[in-house]
Amino acid sequence: NAGVTQTPKFRVLKTGQSMTLLCAQDMNHEYMYWYRQDPGMGLRLIHYSVGEGTTAKGEVPDGYNVSRLKKQNFLLGLESAAPSQTSVYFCASSPRGGNTEAFFGQGTRLTVV
Amino acid sequence: AQSVTQLGSHVSVSEGALVLLRCNYSSSVPPYLFWYVQYPNQGLQLLLKYTSAATLVKGINGFEAEFKKSETSFHLTKPSAHMSDAAEYFCAVRLNNNNDMRFGAGTRLTVKP
Repeated sequence: NAGVTQTPKFRVLKTGQSMTLLCAQDMNHEYMYWYRQDPGMGLRLIHYSVGEGTTAKGEVPDGYNVSRLKKQNFLLGLESAAPSQTSVYFCASSPRGGNTEAFFGQGTRLTVV
Repeated sequence: AQSVTQLGSHVSVSEGALVLLRCNYSSSVPPYLFWYVQYPNQGLQLLLKYTSAATLVKGINGFEAEFKKSETSFHLTKPSAHMSDAAEYFCAVRLNNNNDMRFGAGTRLTVKP
């Protein structure tokens, strides 16, 4: 049971570099989410998607872009990384909205130097 | 806008003592409410969720939470703490007509022997 898989698990970037984080889920869920976790701030929603081909902004979308070309994949892009984007990033998926729970990946620790 | 507040970023209890972690939401319409637990270097996993079927919700590992509309609260409790309960706990909300899930800042639980 893979569930939600994030790639890579760790990454160090230089300021100004770009990268893409990949999230894959094998549960046929409609909804997918990207969060960042910073000490004392909990999880903050970056972007989310309610279905293939759709995306929406969350609480902290600036500096990030996303795409959901396939139902099982949700990509998070950083076009020009900044030290403020140093964080642990979590992807999650849920069958739909409402009372359905979100299932989380193991996280990606990103450091921007 | 929906929001969730967790009172107390750190809670410390002795083994065998009552655990009480507080969560309040701000919404005129009762939202869907969730509690998640995060162990070190792991993703989040669901403890329990409120779905309006019952105000007292039982979850895994002996935890339960009570929804109180008059107090806009969904506090998490466990009668007797175990060492293995040491982790970070997050309250999350999703409004009926919203698709995203928002998290509180988290409460780190320490259990003393």
